[in-house]
Amino acid sequence: AQSVTQLDSQVPVFEEAPVELRCNYSSSVSVYLFWYVQYPNQGLQLLLKYLSGSTLVKGINGFEAEFNKSQTSFHLRKPSVHISDTAEYFCAVSENSNYQLIWGAGTKLIIKP
Amino acid sequence: NAGVTQTPKFQVLKTGQSMTLQCAQDMNHNSMYWYRQDPGMGLRLIYYSASEGTTDKGEVPNGYNVSRLNKREFSLRLESAAPSQTSVYFCASSDYRTGELFFGEGSRLTVL
Repeated sequence: AQSVTQLDSQVPVFEEAPVELRCNYSSSVSVYLFWYVQYPNQGLQLLLKYLSGSTLVKGINGFEAEFNKSQTSFHLRKPSVHISDTAEYFCAVSENSNYQLIWGAGTKLIIKP
Repeated sequence: NAGVTQTPKFQVLKTGQSMTLQCAQDMNHNSMYWYRQDPGMGLRLIYYSASEGTTDKGEVPNGYNVSRLNKREFSLRLESAAPSQTSVYFCASSDYRTGELFFGEGSRLTVL
């Protein structure tokens, strides 16, 4: 992947509302796609991944993402957010099986009570 | 279950000083990585080690050196620290079967 773009640096949303965090990448070859979450003052942990198969991927904590090859996107969604979802979310892409990742700049999800 | 352990968690250095960040994983992973995280820039790969005995440069290797001491341990050394190296450093290891990265909790380094 040449680059990964997370269009929104911050996304504020009310508690229990739905949310979508956007991720677009540029690549001319097949890719593997990942979303990681970073809670305050912690390391990153895997939220979900797409390696092959169904384009709709379900992850932990009720998150899901859909791989759209034609639009080169891998947007992350949750139907109803909770205050505990406050974190920074990173999209990452790999073009090879060695999983050398290219990272987006991150999107901070801000939950408003 | 420790996972990936980094030390130290915090460090303040003066320009020109040297230091080593230590990383160890107990998951028997072959691959290990050092990243730096700066606001608005995501994670940038400094060095990685695909297996014991091998190391390769990543996106931003200048000013750093690494040692893959054994399968468990992968250290990052700053020989002469510069203010531009002020950052949060993350060590990670990966499961080759799934591609999942497992991260340490980070080391916050400030260079004055």
